[in-house]
Amino acid sequence: AQSVTQLGSHVSVSEGALVLLRCNYSSSVPPYLFWYVQYPNQGLQLLLKYTSAATLVKGINGFEAEFKKSETSFHLTKPSAHMSDAAEYFCAVSDPGSGNTPLVFGKGTRLSVIA
Amino acid sequence: KAGVTQTPRYLIKTRGQQVTLSCSPISGHRSVSWYQQTPGQGLQFLFEYFSETQRNKGNFPGRFSGRQFSNSRSEMNVSTLELGDSALYLCASSLEVSRGYGYTFGSGTRLTVV
Repeated sequence: AQSVTQLGSHVSVSEGALVLLRCNYSSSVPPYLFWYVQYPNQGLQLLLKYTSAATLVKGINGFEAEFKKSETSFHLTKPSAHMSDAAEYFCAVSDPGSGNTPLVFGKGTRLSVIA
Repeated sequence: KAGVTQTPRYLIKTRGQQVTLSCSPISGHRSVSWYQQTPGQGLQFLFEYFSETQRNKGNFPGRFSGRQFSNSRSEMNVSTLELGDSALYLCASSLEVSRGYGYTFGSGTRLTVV
């Protein structure tokens, strides 16, 4: 069964500092990986996805993530944090096969940005 | 292009009642999934429908059920509500069942059981 572990339920950074949110996955096959963001009282918005093409994936709002098979990781980064980045971030994993297994989410990491 | 629409946005029900939540996917999307989100358990998968057929079901009691109509709209029903059913219920749609397309989520229905 696939699973995702997000290290750190809460990360706090200063405005302009590097954002690093960690995600490690467990999967028996090369997976598809996703990062979603959730703002208060809203649904989830897709930031970026890895589907076995380039290992460095660029997403919206200046975020990017790198798939590292040897480390089973898919960490999310942004060079310079902005106040508007404060939100909850979810990493998710799926089986790239026929869709017989659902998308599995991590517990989430709440990002705070300090002025 | 309209996004995923969930109605109602907020709902307050009494223990023992039943509730029906609605989800209209993005036009052309045939896969609809439902998730329950709570502070303690995070995002938990409820079920997924594709072309009116349930493809996957999560580990929830039989009080939770769903269906999908021919126009891809979906409903989920919870009978005999319990206090623990209070949560944000999220619907997500996708073009196909292949996970590579990713999901587009609605804003959710906030259910409070009192």
